[in-house]
Order: sequence, then structure tokens, then C-alpha cells
Amino acid sequence: GAGVSQSPSNKVTEKGKDVELRCDPISGHTALYWYRQSLGQGLEFLIYFQGNSAPDKSGLPSDRFSAERTGGSVSTLTIQRTQQEDSAVYLCASSLEVQGTYGYTFGSGTRLTVV
Amino acid sequence: GNSVTQMEGPVTLSEEAFLTINCTYTATGYPSLFWYVQYPGEGLQLLLKATKADDKGSNKGFEATYRKETTSFHLEKGSVQVSDSAVYFCALRTLYAGGTSYGKLTFGQGTILTVHP
Repeated sequence: GAGVSQSPSNKVTEKGKDVELRCDPISGHTALYWYRQSLGQGLEFLIYFQGNSAPDKSGLPSDRFSAERTGGSVSTLTIQRTQQEDSAVYLCASSLEVQGTYGYTFGSGTRLTVV
Repeated sequence: GNSVTQMEGPVTLSEEAFLTINCTYTATGYPSLFWYVQYPGEGLQLLLKATKADDKGSNKGFEATYRKETTSFHLEKGSVQVSDSAVYFCALRTLYAGGTSYGKLTFGQGTILTVHP
């Protein structure tokens, strides 16, 4: 598509429920990244995909968080047993290549609120 | 590891004032440097970039020069407008083979800029 698409744009969930956040990157972008932006905080790296594999999962905050990518395209970030501290904007980005001279293109994010 | 340090905000200026937002970095390998901007209620957008020492990135009147000797990439604009009010993030990506941080963007904490008429 023309840009990085994320859905839903907003999600309110009850504490303890599972949520799935979806990212549809720009067609042909091999690298895909998930970040988290909490109120008043910077951008926290969560996970990086190259194709369907995830060479760097170092930013996932706990084992309640997982992500997958299929067909080298769509990615899903799953948060199990959500907690209030999971409330944040979850940002997905894709990049044309891994090597670093290009910046990322970000989606508009999913605002997650855990009540 | 890689890290980016931005000047602490928020920064409040009057329209047509000169803007500088400082950014310094530490990096393993040879980084590319970026400034991203996030306007109120919107997603992150790439503002400008520089990929090697002494390169100057520029866009929308903003400029930043890649200074390897001082490991800095300060953002400047000669005359800010109300429409420049946003959060500005400095970031870097490194080029090196191997390791799990290959290509990952590392961000600074962001600087909130408010411009008054």
C-alpha cells in the first residue's frame, strides 16, 4: 500500500484480556519494527523483523508480549493478560532495507488503553 | 551500545525566533543520523537525514549537520513558525554486519517545541 497501515487505531480493553495489534507495511519493505510510545516517554524499541524472522526481540518487556510476521508482510503484536502499564501508543514502521541509510516509514499507531 | 541524547525540553519560542535543538550520540559502527517530527495527533515523520560525516540534511527550513568529531547532529531553523510546534526526535541507525541491532533505529527522548504567535 501507499503507507504503513495499523489497526485498530484505538483499543480499550479490560485488564487481563488479550489484545492483537496489526501492522500492514509498505509493499516490498523487508524490515519491520515495533515501537512503544508511552505518555511523556520516548520511543521504546520492541522487536524487529527481517522477512518473517525476528533477529532482535530484545525490547519485548515480558513474556506476555509476542509478535509474528507472515508472508514477509503483515505483522501482529499480541499482548496477553494485559496490565495497566501496557497502556501506550504502539507504533509499527517499515524500511526498504536493513542496512540503515534509509529512515523508517511509521504508521499512525494503535492507542491501547487498559482499564 | 548505541544511544542518543537530546536537549531537555520543553522549548518555548516566539514566532520568527531562532531554534536549536541539541543532539549528541554514541554508536558502535558508522551511523546514519535522522531527525523525526511528530505533529500533534499525528504519527512520526522523517524530517531530514545525513548518512556520512559533514553531510547536511535539510527540509522545510530545518537543517542539521553530521559532526563526527563532536558526535553531534544539532537541529536548527532560522525563523520558526507556529506550525512548527511539535515533538522532535533525534535518531541513529548503524551499519555493521552481524549482531542483533543491525539497522535498528535508536531514538532520543524527544523535545517538545511550542511556538507562540
